[in-house]
Amino acid sequence: EIVMTQSPATLSVSPGERATLSCRASQTVSSNLAWYQQKPGQAPRLLIYDASTRATGVPARFIGSGSGTEFSLTISSLQSEDFAVYYCQQHNNWPWTFGQGTKVEIK
Amino acid sequence: EVGLLESGGGLVQPGGSLRLSCAASGFSFSTYAMGWVRQAPGKGLEWVSVISGSGGNSYYADSVKGRFTISRDNSKNMLYLQMNSLRAEDTALYYCAKREATAGVVDYWGLGTLVTVSS
Repeated sequence: EIVMTQSPATLSVSPGERATLSCRASQTVSSNLAWYQQKPGQAPRLLIYDASTRATGVPARFIGSGSGTEFSLTISSLQSEDFAVYYCQQHNNWPWTFGQGTKVEIK
Repeated sequence: EVGLLESGGGLVQPGGSLRLSCAASGFSFSTYAMGWVRQAPGKGLEWVSVISGSGGNSYYADSVKGRFTISRDNSKNMLYLQMNSLRAEDTALYYCAKREATAGVVDYWGLGTLVTVSS
């Protein structure tokens, strides 16, 4: 099973600032990496898949990059609605596995 | 508009069984793989199982293999998860998940149904 490790666990950012979240895979997943956003009491929402493809309706401020074992999600200018928990997930090998999450909180 | 509505969760004793159901609407159900993703209280996400559009292929997490069975009825647009020999560690919110067309990711989620395994 591929282990996904996200850092940091918590990221404190002021509105309007840039946030960069990291995700590392225990072995290569090629470009088969997704990012989800989850707000309290809600189901997750798909943001990015195939490392850099934005899902339908996702704002351009969400930018995914990386390949192999190192990936990042950049939120170029944080809006109030972006404060949430973010999960990465590899979709290269079954079982598809998630990272433990990064909480983006208001500084 | 895509809709996924889970049902069947509840409180069950260790060793017991439950059957989760998911009613799908708003898309060509038989075209897409479907699955179940769970989230233990205050914890992260875990893919539990996925089934192909035809129902001919299914996959399970090691943690549930041999105890859970995923199935679908394409004539009724329904997805199921039969859960047997339940353990305390199976306690979680179980989401019905529609797989994106080409990638092993979830593009639509239900609201979830809570399964609590406790004596």
